[in-house]
Amino acid sequence: QLQLQESGPGLVKPSETLSLTCIVSGGSIGSTSYYWGWIRQPPGKGLEWIGTIRKSATSAYNPSLKSRVTISEDTSKNQFTLSLSSVTAADTAVYYCARQEVGFSRGYYPDWFDPWGQGTLVTVSS
Amino acid sequence: QSVLTQPPSVSGAPGQRVTISCTGSSSNIGAGYGVHWYQVVPGAAPKLLIYANTNRPSGVPHRFSGSKSGTSASLAITGLQAEDEAEYYCQSYDSSLRGSEFGGGTKLTVL
Repeated sequence: QLQLQESGPGLVKPSETLSLTCIVSGGSIGSTSYYWGWIRQPPGKGLEWIGTIRKSATSAYNPSLKSRVTISEDTSKNQFTLSLSSVTAADTAVYYCARQEVGFSRGYYPDWFDPWGQGTLVTVSS
Repeated sequence: QSVLTQPPSVSGAPGQRVTISCTGSSSNIGAGYGVHWYQVVPGAAPKLLIYANTNRPSGVPHRFSGSKSGTSASLAITGLQAEDEAEYYCQSYDSSLRGSEFGGGTKLTVL
């Protein structure tokens, strides 16, 4: 059974870089059969897609975050990482990682998210 | 502001049927991309309820069903139970954004 677990600091200072790792067990992120994504939920707000990566394909990022986001993969450790630079209080959120199915109906594209990690709260504060 | 529009809240009494709508556009739902639904309970990981418009993952009760027509989709919950009280989100791919998009979420209250 595939499981994902987010790991990283719970507190980040303003203007610094937020870095989170998603550790995957029970499956390989090296497979081209899936995408791997990050999603966040600020307190009291809705879910927001951050970005998605897939082996041998380019990453895709939310346009509103694109200038500050990088998602990378380490297939040797079976994990993928989120980096978000120049953070502010608005980046305080629960961050989730998830596997994303590959859609086929109109070319190849990232489709639904399942399963998800438990999520980790990251607070941006000095 | 999300490109997928959901009502902020819906409510129903135990045993009743409720529906949650998700309205998109010609670059997402109307373009033929699938609509997916998630249940979010505070403190727990989001749970996939419906994928590709109408499909239920293993373990999701038959009380939950999805439909799609044109640029909109709906989640229906029949036989409402207290445990269904949660937030519900729709999600689809958007070809203009070249990425995934979530609806703003709908808070379901079981009266």
